[in-house]
Amino acid sequence: ETGVTQTPRHLVMGMTNKKSLKCEQHLGHNAMYWYKQSAKKPLELMFVYNFKEQTENNSVPSRFSPECPNSSHLFLHLHTLQPEDSALYLCASSHELAGGEFFGPGTRLTVL
Amino acid sequence: AQKVTQAQTEISVVEKEDVTLDCVYETRDTTYYLFWYKQPPSGELVFLIRRNSFDEQNEISGRYSWNFQKSTSSFNFTITASQVVDSAVYFCALSALNNNDMRFGAGTRLTVKP
Repeated sequence: ETGVTQTPRHLVMGMTNKKSLKCEQHLGHNAMYWYKQSAKKPLELMFVYNFKEQTENNSVPSRFSPECPNSSHLFLHLHTLQPEDSALYLCASSHELAGGEFFGPGTRLTVL
Repeated sequence: AQKVTQAQTEISVVEKEDVTLDCVYETRDTTYYLFWYKQPPSGELVFLIRRNSFDEQNEISGRYSWNFQKSTSSFNFTITASQVVDSAVYFCALSALNNNDMRFGAGTRLTVKP
């Protein structure tokens, strides 16, 4: 596989569920990112990892918990989400800390 | 604070027309990056261009061209001879060199009609 892949592509969960989003990149990039895209709001950068170290957390609620076990994989663990967390969650990677240049297809999350 | 404004929410053109998408930004940084992305109906963001703030040369790539004007804090994107496949939402974005604050504009939805 090439590029940035995300699983699952669609996820429906209740507010008491725990689920995880997975992102994988096969581009040899050292930086990975989580973004949130809601209707009627600009794309929001959530987390940045550079060489597996978290370098940015944009005041994201603790019900979102990222994990980066290695430079090719990035997870977003979700628990006790709210309906307003329903959005498209996009993962991206880049070779240097200069913006996520390669985006995955996203996970469309619906919280009931 | 960093901010990106794409004042055009939606644009509709007929195929073969030229169209310019506006992007105005605000930043206190002296060096930064500017980006354009395309998001087709499939949802995946496609990287189009990254420009350093110290490089004001305009760029052309096929039917796409970008006009970077530091004096007016604008980074406009022109599609020449538009095609139906150009229909998408286009995002302009700004980041500091260390990417601690990546900001996207609200996007411009472009519809190209046959």
